[in-house]
Amino acid sequence: GAGVSQSPSNKVTEKGKDVELRCDPISGHTALYWYRQSLGQGLEFLIYFQGNSAPDKSGLPSDRFSAERTGGSVSTLTIQRTQQEDSAVYLCASSLVSGGAFKETQYFGPGTRLLVL
Amino acid sequence: QKEVEQDPGPLSVPEGAIVSLNCTYSNSAFQYFMWYRQYSRKGPELLMYTYSSGNKEDGRFTAQVDKSSKYISLFIRDSQPSDSATYLCAMGPNAGNMLTFGGGTRLMVKP
Repeated sequence: GAGVSQSPSNKVTEKGKDVELRCDPISGHTALYWYRQSLGQGLEFLIYFQGNSAPDKSGLPSDRFSAERTGGSVSTLTIQRTQQEDSAVYLCASSLVSGGAFKETQYFGPGTRLLVL
Repeated sequence: QKEVEQDPGPLSVPEGAIVSLNCTYSNSAFQYFMWYRQYSRKGPELLMYTYSSGNKEDGRFTAQVDKSSKYISLFIRDSQPSDSATYLCAMGPNAGNMLTFGGGTRLMVKP
């Protein structure tokens, strides 16, 4: 596909369960970002991958959140022991080059809507 | 106080109206200013990008940055129902060398 894809599009889970969210960036994009969007709130930065460099995890809200990027392409965001406050839309974005995240156009996926009951 | 403030709306206007969307910010280090458009159940898409102060025009859209007032605006001329979306301002770099996003303004253009 031409754009960033994310799966699943919707996820309903029970409090305490683990969830995995997947992001397929645009082919050839070296930078990948995860954001969280809560109702009426701006995009909250979570984690950033750039090539083979160590990821910037400064936005992860707790140690229940982790992410990996395999082979410089697909990324998985894992939330362990989910809580109701984790309910949000999780957006993934990729960009071609990074000289600072703000310098390059970020292309967003459609998001995964997570609801924790 | 949030680093970037944006009125959530909703803002409802008739087709053909001029729309003004605004954000204020507190971080004087911001140099890059962007507007993203997000349709329902879609990811944001970059609409306008401005470096430092001044105006930038692209078709019906004009972005303005006033760094002295820490205020940015997006104007939409001859608004169309297809412009109905949430508009998010974004700016950087923040302390983490990333973008800081506003909460978004929901715009509804009625035919």
